[in-house]
Amino acid sequence: ILNVEQSPQSLHVQEGDSTNFTCSFPSSNFYALHWYRWETAKSPEALFVMTLNGDEKKKGRISATLNTKEGYSYLYIKGSQPEDSATYLCAFNFYQKVTFGTGTKLQVIP
Amino acid sequence: EPEVTQTPSHQVTQMGQEVILRCVPISNHLYFYWYRQILGQKVEFLVSFYNNEISEKSEIFDDQFSVERPDGSNFTLKIRSTKLEDSAMYFCASSESVETQYFGPGTRLLVL
Repeated sequence: ILNVEQSPQSLHVQEGDSTNFTCSFPSSNFYALHWYRWETAKSPEALFVMTLNGDEKKKGRISATLNTKEGYSYLYIKGSQPEDSATYLCAFNFYQKVTFGTGTKLQVIP
Repeated sequence: EPEVTQTPSHQVTQMGQEVILRCVPISNHLYFYWYRQILGQKVEFLVSFYNNEISEKSEIFDDQFSVERPDGSNFTLKIRSTKLEDSAMYFCASSESVETQYFGPGTRLLVL
């Protein structure tokens, strides 16, 4: 069983604050690491797929980094907005088998 | 923008009945997946499917479950002899390669 952990479990931030969360995963047999944004009553939306150690990806105010040697990825949100409120999931790809973390639930307070 | 669709959106069934959950993946995608999320728990991988066969499956995906791509568009998950603990949200996803997966809206299954 592959262990994919996310922290914190939940987070409340003020609008305009920057924030970051962590995903840790097994450092051996790495294939890919995914980040998803999941709003209530919607389906998970792909944010990033990261495959190489040292990868950094950016999409607007959201960015992610990857360290496959130590088995962690960070997701950063700069200047959080209320519409960023969602659960952020990471998922570890071992070939075509995917293990999800428990998610970080972000609430941005206006 | 193309999207993954799933039907039905909700299904209520009696324990012991069989259900078929349907998914229409994005048309040029080659990899298909089923996941489930039991209320309050994390999303769990069930199975991946490529080239008309199962490529990976989890410990959850036992003989009670089967998947099929009966025609060029549908991808189905059959659950035989449903149990109370099969109640969950079932998500289908598809991808062009083994990278970005696009999720459908899910089917909420309730077994009574």
